[in-house]
Amino acid sequence: DQQVKQNSPSLSVQEGRISILNCDYTNSMFDYFLWYKKYPAEGPTFLISISSIKDKNEDGRFTVFLNKSAKHLSLHIVPSQPGDSAVYFCAASGVGGSQGNLIFGKGTKLSVKP
Amino acid sequence: DADVTQTPRNRITKTGKRIMLECSQTKGHDRMYWYRQDPGLGLRLIYYSFDVKDINKGEISDGYSVSRQAQAKFSLSLESAIPNQTALYFCATSDLKGSGRYNEQFFGPGTRLTVL
Repeated sequence: DQQVKQNSPSLSVQEGRISILNCDYTNSMFDYFLWYKKYPAEGPTFLISISSIKDKNEDGRFTVFLNKSAKHLSLHIVPSQPGDSAVYFCAASGVGGSQGNLIFGKGTKLSVKP
Repeated sequence: DADVTQTPRNRITKTGKRIMLECSQTKGHDRMYWYRQDPGLGLRLIYYSFDVKDINKGEISDGYSVSRQAQAKFSLSLESAIPNQTALYFCATSDLKGSGRYNEQFFGPGTRLTVL
């Protein structure tokens, strides 16, 4: 069973508008969550993270919200820019003996149209 | 220069051949990982190593083996390649010691492997 789920394979947004990417998880032992961004022909790069003791973390145009009761997090990009077009992976960490390992979702491909 | 490098970047091989993918890092991190990415399946962990003497299986280790030759080097081998091992392979590193970004992993550029 997937422990980290990104149920939207793709998302299309107009430049300047808000992009909202969603992620759900099933394991209540996860205590740290990360978002990675991946361009074609490149490796994933870290974007933003949040600890389970927080419900919001902001970095410039990017904000991650965590709702622990719903086991849900979301990434908000405001305003969206064409250069934000990429695949975004949600990842979670903090499980028992494999602490430090990341469990990734399947990714959401974001397209920002000019 | 890139902190995490992978060689080769692209490789085409035939079923049954042995192939090795190599990863080197200059970040001084203790932990290294191998993932594969398939369309629609995200990143799945193959093997990971927390230090030179430590090797652990990940989610999908069957058909793969690894070697941690040094702190900076972690190689992935396919002893007898098969077509369903065609995928993008990524190496990553991390360091939990003194990191403000708990569990952040740094990825290499990837190796595109095609098994015919």
